[in-house]
Amino acid sequence: DADVTQTPRNRITKTGKRIMLECSQTKGHDRMYWYRQDPGLGLRLIYYSFDVKDINKGEISDGYSVSRQAQAKFSLSLESAIPNQTALYFCATSDPERGKAFFGQGTRLTVV
Amino acid sequence: AQSVSQHNHHVILSEAASLELGCNYSYGGTVNLFWYVQYPGQHLQLLLKYFSGDPLVKGIKGFEAEFIKSKFSFNLRKPSVQWSDTAEYFCAVSGGATNKLIFGTGTLLAVQP
Repeated sequence: DADVTQTPRNRITKTGKRIMLECSQTKGHDRMYWYRQDPGLGLRLIYYSFDVKDINKGEISDGYSVSRQAQAKFSLSLESAIPNQTALYFCATSDPERGKAFFGQGTRLTVV
Repeated sequence: AQSVSQHNHHVILSEAASLELGCNYSYGGTVNLFWYVQYPGQHLQLLLKYFSGDPLVKGIKGFEAEFIKSKFSFNLRKPSVQWSDTAEYFCAVSGGATNKLIFGTGTLLAVQP
């Protein structure tokens, strides 16, 4: 089983719809991240959480929200999806001492 | 704030050519440095990492990287690339009080047979 699991793997949604991307991990890490990947822009940090009660905005948090339901679960929501949120989204965990990351398989989201 | 720069956005090489991908970071304190690879259609995987000690680190599949503190660089190298090395390569850094992980924009490597 994968250490970091994302669902769904692929999703097509319409503009204005609410959508939630889910992430769960079995690494036992407190630290979890959501990134989006766009061609030529690399991975940009949306939100990160260093424990269940600690949620922080990343560099591109506008239009997104997150929920840390438990140590193992970190969900990303798009309250009202727009086409420029079409991207590949990655969830990750990291060990606290060094920052080595473990990634999920990614969720390809298309907003039409 | 930390940042990571990868100046080569797209590199095309023939098989057996040597590879060097540049990575520079901006952070004056102690850093941890990583290279991740993303093969077509797959998620990111760790290629190699530097935490401390010998600045020349060796990773999987014949890759290595050298940490040069004075140049704030962590370039990735491979003496002889293969077609199967076609992928996107990301440099990343963590450091500071939070050890938040920041990525570069990635370098797309295409190896022609």
